This record gives sequence, C-alpha cells and structure tokens, in this order.
Amino acid sequence: AQSVSQHNHHVILSEAASLELGCNYSYGGTVNLFWYVQYPGQHLQLLLKYFSGDPLVKGIKGFEAEFIKSKFSFNLRKPSVQWSDTAEYFCAVSSTGGSYIPTFGRGTSLIVHP
Amino acid sequence: DAGVTQSPTHLIKTRGQQVTLRCSPKSGHDTVSWYQQALGQGPQFIFQYYEEEERQRGNFPDRFSGHQFPNYSSELNVNALLLGDSALYLCASSRGRTTSGNTIYFGEGSWLTVV
Repeated sequence: AQSVSQHNHHVILSEAASLELGCNYSYGGTVNLFWYVQYPGQHLQLLLKYFSGDPLVKGIKGFEAEFIKSKFSFNLRKPSVQWSDTAEYFCAVSSTGGSYIPTFGRGTSLIVHP
Repeated sequence: DAGVTQSPTHLIKTRGQQVTLRCSPKSGHDTVSWYQQALGQGPQFIFQYYEEEERQRGNFPDRFSGHQFPNYSSELNVNALLLGDSALYLCASSRGRTTSGNTIYFGEGSWLTVV
C-alpha cells in the first residue's frame, strides 16, 4: 500500500514570497501524483496532477510541481504567493497497477499575510 | 452543470445512533467514492460504488455501509456511532471506475459531530 508524507503542517508567508511544499510518497511501483487545494469553506479542488511524461507539471493559479522519481518526491511550488492562496494543500498518490484510489497526506495549512 | 452535492451539511448525533449521508454526483459521472476527513488529517478512503455495487473498500469497519441508486446518487450509512466517527465526510465522483486518466471531483462534505 502507498503512503504520503507532507513535512510542513503549517506554513506562514507574506505576499510575494515564494512557496515550496514538500511531499514524499512510499510505493514501489508506478504512481499517479496529485495536489489538491481546499480553500476555506470550499470543497477540495484539483490543482495539478502527474500521470506520465514531463516531470514538471503546471497547474492552475500559477502552481507547479516536480516529480523526482529517485527521491519519491512531488513538491509543490509557486514563485509568488497571494493572500488568496491561503488554504489547505493536500498531496495524494495512487498506484497505476491497482485500485487507482488516491491516498492523501495529512495536509499543509498555508496562511498568506497581505 | 451541478457539481457534487451532499446533504446534510452539518449534523449532530448521539453515540450509538445511526446516520445516513447523501450524495449526488457531478452530471455525467457514474462512480461515487466516500472519504472520511478527521480534523487536521487528510481524507481517508472508505469505499467506492460503481454500477450500484461496492467495488473497493478502505480500512473501515462494517459499521460503515453504503448504497448506490440507479441514478448514480449514493448514501453512506454509519451504525452504532462512536465519538471517533466525528469528522467531515466527503463524497467524490468520477466518470467510470477510477482509472489513471480520470479526475475525481469532491463535494463540500457533511460535518458529523457525535456527542
């Protein structure tokens, strides 16, 4: 079974600062990787996903993530955050040879100060 | 185009009682999954329904059961509620059984408090 570890549980930044949220997974086979965002009072939304191909994935709202297979990592980045990026961010992994059901990390709470 | 809708949004139950949560999938979707999200945790997979049958199940006891109707809507039932069942219950839908090419869409969830 796969598992996901998100290292930063709480991150506080000022507007225009750069963001990097760490995500590591454990699974021996081929994986699909996801980042979801949950804005206050809203439902989980897909930010970006990696299935295959270019390991640098671009998502919505200026976010990107890089899949580094040798490090089992899929870190989320944004060059300049905005107050509206305040939200909970979840990394998820699913196996391609099994159930495809994503396993989620415990999430990172991001607060951006104006 | 309606997204995934869930009801009720909030409810309070007493230990030992039973609860039913409801979900209507996004238009065009036929697969429904349920997740439990405890405070400060990520969503944990409970089970998935497709063609009115439970297709996959996570590590949850038999107290958690579900149903899918011909119109693809779904219910999650929890019997003999425990304090630890207090959580946000999320419904997610997708087109076809979850495959690597499908994106799943989440509802806003039902907050269950067990007292």
